[in-house]
Amino acid sequence: AQSVTQLGSHVSVSEGALVLLRCNYSSSVPPYLFWYVQYPNQGLQLLLKYTSAATLVKGINGFEAEFKKSETSFHLTKPSAHMSDAAEYFCAVSLQGAQKLVFGQGTRLTINP
Amino acid sequence: DSGVTQTPKHLITATGQRVTLRCSPRSGDLSVYWYQQSLDQGLQFLIQYYNGEERAKGNILERFSAQQFPDLHSELNLSSLELGDSALYFCASSVDSGGGGQPQHFGDGTRLSIL
Repeated sequence: AQSVTQLGSHVSVSEGALVLLRCNYSSSVPPYLFWYVQYPNQGLQLLLKYTSAATLVKGINGFEAEFKKSETSFHLTKPSAHMSDAAEYFCAVSLQGAQKLVFGQGTRLTINP
Repeated sequence: DSGVTQTPKHLITATGQRVTLRCSPRSGDLSVYWYQQSLDQGLQFLIQYYNGEERAKGNILERFSAQQFPDLHSELNLSSLELGDSALYFCASSVDSGGGGQPQHFGDGTRLSIL
């Protein structure tokens, strides 16, 4: 069965620093991969998605993620953190032909001034 | 704004009761998905409907049921409620049945509190 592991339930960075949120998946075939962000009292907003077109995916708000098949990873990065990036981030996977999203446990990102 | 509308935003009820959560998908989306978000279980897929038919089932309890109507809105019915059913329930929608990697767009959720 497919699963997603997000390393670090809490990540804290300084404003202007690099943001790196880690996601590893387990799947016997290349999956579709997504990153979502959840702000307090809101639903999940799609940041970016990987669907096999390109291994480096650019998303909204300056975020990007790189698919590395050899490492079964899809880490999310942003070169310079902004206070408005403080939120919970979820990595999710779905298989071709499957409907459901399987989510990681989430990583809460805190930005220090 | 994702275009997915969920009502109500908050529900407070007692154990043993029954509630109905409603979801209107984005215009043009045929698939509706329901997810439960709780502190101990995280985000869990419950069920999916595509153009009125059940398409996939996840960790949905027998006390829970859902349907999608001809106008494509969906309802999630939760009965014989228990304290452990307290959670945030999300609805999401997508254009197709999900096999093509289409992203799902989420509503703001219904927060259910069981007293």
